[in-house]
Amino acid sequence: DVKVTQSSRYLVKRTGEKVFLECVQDMDHENMFWYRQDPGLGLRLIYFSYDVKMKEKGDIPEGYSVSREKKERFSLILESASTNQTSMYLCASSIQETQYFGPGTRLLVL
Amino acid sequence: DQQVKQNSPSLSVQEGRISILNCDYTNSMFDYFLWYKKYPAEGPTFLISISSIKDKNEDGRFTVFLNKSAKHLSLHIVPSQPGDSAVYFCAASALAGGADGLTFGKGTHLIIQP
Repeated sequence: DVKVTQSSRYLVKRTGEKVFLECVQDMDHENMFWYRQDPGLGLRLIYFSYDVKMKEKGDIPEGYSVSREKKERFSLILESASTNQTSMYLCASSIQETQYFGPGTRLLVL
Repeated sequence: DQQVKQNSPSLSVQEGRISILNCDYTNSMFDYFLWYKKYPAEGPTFLISISSIKDKNEDGRFTVFLNKSAKHLSLHIVPSQPGDSAVYFCAASALAGGADGLTFGKGTHLIIQP
């Protein structure tokens, strides 16, 4: 079974804080992704990575950065959290077209 | 510009009947399509997929139909069960291997009534 884990299920941060969201997959997948899900907007791609140290911008990268130092780990970084980054963050990994998602991190920025 | 559209935000179906969820897309480069199911406060779970070289794929109670000329796909669930109540997302991929991420629709909330 594919397992994708995310470091926190719920997180509360203050405006301006630097926030790290961690994602780990145990299936040796090449590709990893970060999405955010907001009501009425579906899932939107923030960043993705197809190899260690490689990263590509998705549809909404502004205000975010990522890090992939090891194949199994993909981190999403909010450099200076803002209230409009309050959302559900979902990490996924894939080896072909099918993506497998973690449980999500619900982030609240106050 | 929304490339994957799910025009029904919600759908209510009686238990035991067929649920049909629809999805339209505009990008003719999409060649692989997936359906995901999502419960509140959980990540999406992969349900079923179809490649553009096929027009139907079946897995138990779930069947996906693809009409390439109409740029339309649908997910059929039969018979519908209470545990099927969830939000269903349609997704599409334009790059072989899915390395560029998926484009998702906004989701349809399926409610199965007893």
